[in-house]
Amino acid sequence: ETGVTQTPRHLVMGMTNKKSLKCEQHLGHNAMYWYKQSAKKPLELMFVYNFKEQTENNSVPSRFSPECPNSSHLFLHLHTLQPEDSALYLCASSPEDLNTEAFFGQGTRLTVV
Amino acid sequence: GQQLNQSPQSMFIQEGEDVSMNCTSSSIFNTWLWYKQDPGEGPVLLIALYKAGELTSNGRLTAQFGITRKDSFLNISASIPSDVGIYFCAGSNYLWGGATNKLIFGTGTLLAVQP
Repeated sequence: ETGVTQTPRHLVMGMTNKKSLKCEQHLGHNAMYWYKQSAKKPLELMFVYNFKEQTENNSVPSRFSPECPNSSHLFLHLHTLQPEDSALYLCASSPEDLNTEAFFGQGTRLTVV
Repeated sequence: GQQLNQSPQSMFIQEGEDVSMNCTSSSIFNTWLWYKQDPGEGPVLLIALYKAGELTSNGRLTAQFGITRKDSFLNISASIPSDVGIYFCAGSNYLWGGATNKLIFGTGTLLAVQP
């Protein structure tokens, strides 16, 4: 059982679709993160949750909507995305948001058509 | 915003060679982390550094937290084909008192190892 699991691994969606990405961590951590990884760009932090509360929204467009029902699960709800949103979306967790030793999931490769 | 300059951007080496890559920042960090990412996978934490001057090893990997707290390097000795991947540095400068920490990533070093 891996520490941080993301599903699905690959997703193709149209610009009018609604989909959700799921992340689950089995490490007993209290902080969870969403990152976006685009080609030739550094990893971009999108959202941070600490003890289920959102503590960071890094100016992410509202077409990305995170949800953290408990410390082990994190979702990213997607709607009316644009082709430029195609990227690898990575979930990570750490003991708490002041401890940045983050452990990453395998990512969801998202393609918006 | 904060940026990490990571170099080199790519390296093509022969199996058995040693590798060195580094990361520099315009501002001070309290933590330096080094990750490796294989194609189609998420980054995997290799080494974490928490103190200026700290030198830490993980097998054939050695990383150091620069004295100025604005740089870090990663060395790989006697490279093998499975060392292929993208290596990322990451730094953070958390503030006690509740400010949310941010982990800033470098642009990565692509390592290719010729058997």
